[in-house]
Amino acid sequence: QKEVEQNSGPLSVPEGAIASLNCTYSDRGSQSFFWYRQYSGKSPELIMSIYSNGDKEDGRFTAQLNKASQYVSLLIRDSQPSDSATYLCAVLPGYSSASKIIFGSGTRLSIRP
Amino acid sequence: EAGVAQSPRYKIIEKRQSVAFWCNPISGHATLYWYQQILGQGPKLLIQFQNNGVVDDSQLPKDRFSAERLKGVDSTLKIQPAKLEDSAVYLCASSSDWGGNEQFFGPGTRLTVL
Repeated sequence: QKEVEQNSGPLSVPEGAIASLNCTYSDRGSQSFFWYRQYSGKSPELIMSIYSNGDKEDGRFTAQLNKASQYVSLLIRDSQPSDSATYLCAVLPGYSSASKIIFGSGTRLSIRP
Repeated sequence: EAGVAQSPRYKIIEKRQSVAFWCNPISGHATLYWYQQILGQGPKLLIQFQNNGVVDDSQLPKDRFSAERLKGVDSTLKIQPAKLEDSAVYLCASSSDWGGNEQFFGPGTRLTVL
């Protein structure tokens, strides 16, 4: 059973600080990794995707991937109250059309003023 | 560009009744997904279509759930008969291909089974 694990939180971070969200996955052959943000009562929206080891930066967001250790993380710099949401880590195990994306349960992030 | 459309947005039924959800993906998106999201959990893939063919339905409870995507465009997910544990948000998503491209989610249908 392929798994994606996240700490459910809540993770409370002061406004302006760096929020660090972590995710581990079980399938060593996984190739594509995604971070989705989901506001309460809304549907998920993609904020970052990463495919190779290292860091990928987009504005205040940085995704980090370490395939050897099988973890992917998301850093949010200068956290804002609008960043308060649940962050879902998603992993696509392979390249074939038979691969299906697997979502973690999400980490609830709360930015306190 | 119009997003993924879903209807209805909310549905309340009694157990053993049937219900159907409709999804219209983003124009041109070949891949369509139906997810079930129970409160406090991540989305769980129920079925994935590539055009009008099923790619994966391994987690679809086939004794009560069915889905179709006629003509490779919009799709319908049906539950018959519904159980209490089917109470969840049903999300439809689409992407331009099966792989690592972004999935765009619709607003979801919140189902309550009493």
